[in-house]
Amino acid sequence: AQSVTQLDSHVSVSEGTPVLLRCNYSSSYSPSLFWYVQHPNKGLQLLLKYTSAATLVKGINGFEAEFKKSETSFHLTKPSAHMSDAAEYFCVVNRLALEFYFGTGTSLTVIP
Amino acid sequence: NAGVTQTPKFQVLKTGQSMTLQCAQDMNHEYMSWYRQDPGMGLRLIHYSVGAGITDQGEVPNGYNVSRSTTEDFPLRLLSAAPSQTSVYFCASSYRQAGQAKMVTEKLFFGSGTQLSVL
Repeated sequence: AQSVTQLDSHVSVSEGTPVLLRCNYSSSYSPSLFWYVQHPNKGLQLLLKYTSAATLVKGINGFEAEFKKSETSFHLTKPSAHMSDAAEYFCVVNRLALEFYFGTGTSLTVIP
Repeated sequence: NAGVTQTPKFQVLKTGQSMTLQCAQDMNHEYMSWYRQDPGMGLRLIHYSVGAGITDQGEVPNGYNVSRSTTEDFPLRLLSAAPSQTSVYFCASSYRQAGQAKMVTEKLFFGSGTQLSVL
């Protein structure tokens, strides 16, 4: 079975401080993992993906994620939050390249 | 290049009514899928298709039918709407990686969503 657990439903950070959004996964297969972002009243946009190449993945807008197999984690980080980062973030695991399982989402608030 | 187009953007139904949510993509993607998004639940896969004539169930298929007669279109049908189907629905498509025999999809291309209310 495949599943994704996003450990925080809400995260608040001050502008200019680091961002950490946590994601744990379970998968019967070597997973493909993704982070998607959804800005208010907008569609979903791919931030980054892990597909068994380098364990540290760089995405758009300065975001990174590190795949840690021993911890079954794929946490999303950014060194310095910007106001425009305020959005809903989804961690996603892909099963056999056919079914995408989304986490319940983490709402990121950036305080000026 | 329009990408993934969903219609309508908003819809209100009465319990028991039927309707079809339309999804079309112009990127020649083999893979198409439907999700529903509910508060605190993330996105849940309803049905997906890996090509014309091929469909399969996702996590929450009950109450929904799909068909895939062409590569471009993947409509989602609600035969008898229920209040529990009030949600935002997203269609997404993706492609086979070049040189790969299997359907290895890396990136989902999402439509802008359909907000459905069932009274």
